[in-house]
Amino acid sequence: DAGVTQSPTHLIKTRGQQVTLRCSPKSGHDTVSWYQQALGQGPQFIFQYYEEEERQRGNFPDRFSGHQFPNYSSELNVNALLLGDSALYLCASNTEGASGKETQYFGPGTRLLVL
Amino acid sequence: QKEVEQDPGPLSVPEGAIVSLNCTYSNSAFQYFMWYRQYSRKGPELLMYTYSSGNKEDGRFTAQVDKSSKYISLFIRDSQPSDSATYLCAMSAGSWGKLQFGAGTQVVVTP
Repeated sequence: DAGVTQSPTHLIKTRGQQVTLRCSPKSGHDTVSWYQQALGQGPQFIFQYYEEEERQRGNFPDRFSGHQFPNYSSELNVNALLLGDSALYLCASNTEGASGKETQYFGPGTRLLVL
Repeated sequence: QKEVEQDPGPLSVPEGAIVSLNCTYSNSAFQYFMWYRQYSRKGPELLMYTYSSGNKEDGRFTAQVDKSSKYISLFIRDSQPSDSATYLCAMSAGSWGKLQFGAGTQVVVTP
């Protein structure tokens, strides 16, 4: 089992550009959450997807959008990139209705640098 | 004021010592409490998961939750150099929904 996978691992963009990050959840998981982790900070919740719908959203502007596909994989899109968007973007997956025994797993992250 | 406060450290301890980490929070709606370990440039790895108040032990790790004080702790016994990492506390009102993380505490275990 490959666990949660994310691509690409690293990415460099310039201000104003758009970026798409991808996540494949752990086998058997149907819920995907995205987090942004700035250097030296804890992860900040962006949004969560279940059944191809955005179910919860954190305090992020509309420049951040996402999508979940029928195979449960997900994309995070960020438009009009700002320098402050430079961060590690983490994807986490779990099964709907999971209890503590059905753990949520994080992927290795995509490191985005905006110049 | 942040919803979750965590001392960033670094916390340096000798090998074999007990590592004591803690977080405080302000949102009384939090019911689920987690501790994660994150190595440099890696994703967080879940160490402990606790629902509501009480203690939970798993090997060398013990998690404590005191909801009345809005205070959670993680203890690592017999610390090893491989325990050197950043430890993040996290909590949520609804299981694996929106998690609110602390800033993380960097721990260094010296041989």
